[in-house]
Amino acid sequence: DQQVKQNSPSLSVQEGRISILNCDYTNSMFDYFLWYKKYPAEGPTFLISISSIKDKNEDGRFTVFLNKSAKHLSLHIVPSQPGDSAVYFCAASGGGSNYKLTFGKGTLLTVNP
Amino acid sequence: NAGVTQTPKFQVLKTGQSMTLQCAQDMNHEYMSWYRQDPGMGLRLIHYSVGAGITDQGEVPNGYNVSRSTTEDFPLRLLSAAPSQTSVYFCASSYGDNEQFFGPGTRLTVL
Repeated sequence: DQQVKQNSPSLSVQEGRISILNCDYTNSMFDYFLWYKKYPAEGPTFLISISSIKDKNEDGRFTVFLNKSAKHLSLHIVPSQPGDSAVYFCAASGGGSNYKLTFGKGTLLTVNP
Repeated sequence: NAGVTQTPKFQVLKTGQSMTLQCAQDMNHEYMSWYRQDPGMGLRLIHYSVGAGITDQGEVPNGYNVSRSTTEDFPLRLLSAAPSQTSVYFCASSYGDNEQFFGPGTRLTVL
């Protein structure tokens, strides 16, 4: 049973526009959520996180929104740049064990010049 | 700092062979983890450690052993490789409740 779901395997946007990546979770114990970015042949790199006590966290062009009642989070990238083209993984943890992450399957974002 | 390093980058094994994937970090992180990534799948937790001498199982531990004798190193051992263990393996480390830092990965093929 997948506890973290990214239902869009891929997303294509134009440079300068907004990219919105979505993630749903089923485990009510999750209280910390992260987004990782992964380029081919490299390890994932941390992008942004949000605690369940917040509903929004912003870092430059990246904003993560959390809707606890819907068990849904989204990552907004504005404006999108070609260098943002990568696989984006949503991850979650909970119960004070933030070192144990449950990942979604990832969304391949392609930003076209 | 080198961050999280993994060796080897690539490895081909025959079914039944054993090997150890090495992972080291120089950030004095207490938490270290091993994940595997398969095509069309997210990363899945194999084993993790909350400090030297302490390890525990993750989501997919079968066929793998770990030990943590020092803060810096967290090797992953495959005792008898199987084709189902063909995957890309990532080691990660973190301190406290902060985000995990990942190594570059080891691509393993078992024939």
